[in-house]
Amino acid sequence: DTAVSQTPKYLVTQMGNDKSIKCEQNLGHDTMYWYKQDSKKFLKIMFSYNNKELIINETVPNRFSPKSPDKAHLNLHINSLELGDSAVYFCASSPRTGWLMREAFFGQGTRLTVV
Amino acid sequence: QQQVKQSPQSLIVQKGGISIINCAYENTAFDYFPWYQQFPGKGPALLIAIRPDVSEKKEGRFTISFNKSAKQFSLHIMDSQPGDSATYFCAADTIGANNLFFGTGTRLTVIP
Repeated sequence: DTAVSQTPKYLVTQMGNDKSIKCEQNLGHDTMYWYKQDSKKFLKIMFSYNNKELIINETVPNRFSPKSPDKAHLNLHINSLELGDSAVYFCASSPRTGWLMREAFFGQGTRLTVV
Repeated sequence: QQQVKQSPQSLIVQKGGISIINCAYENTAFDYFPWYQQFPGKGPALLIAIRPDVSEKKEGRFTISFNKSAKQFSLHIMDSQPGDSATYFCAADTIGANNLFFGTGTRLTVIP
């Protein structure tokens, strides 16, 4: 009955490879996010996706692309992986149906290591 | 640039003491200020949140104090317990912008 689930939990890959991280939420939320958490624990928003509107953080390289096949899924594709992409990636969802109905529910994270 | 500034970076408190974490923001369009708690190996989870027309919100041992004119808000953890040891993040959000910006995090250690 996990609310926000990500797969895989760990991902080790070589530089230059292309990889995907999957995210699914069963909460019926309209908004989903991808965050990158670096080694210093800084949580940086990468994308938010709401009713097919994609908001991209301008500092995210275009090697990163979110893909949403339906409202419950927001996958993250990364092309030409670089060493600096190593981090923990979190998916989250939020209802955003009212002023205080904006809690973001996070997945358990995917630890990506690029070697 | 960093939308929400948070301090201190780390904090060590004795059991039973008060933990205080501070945050500041510049964007006056922010209208929702949550605090998240993150344990090692887990995703962040909402702890408590406040709206800008309220100066204080308390839930159990956790209190948010909000100063709209100074554009600052803080988290107070009363009677801190070893189980409170975690990383705490303040955040800010605007209902129409669909973004949730986080502070840089504070690693809290409560010593028994």
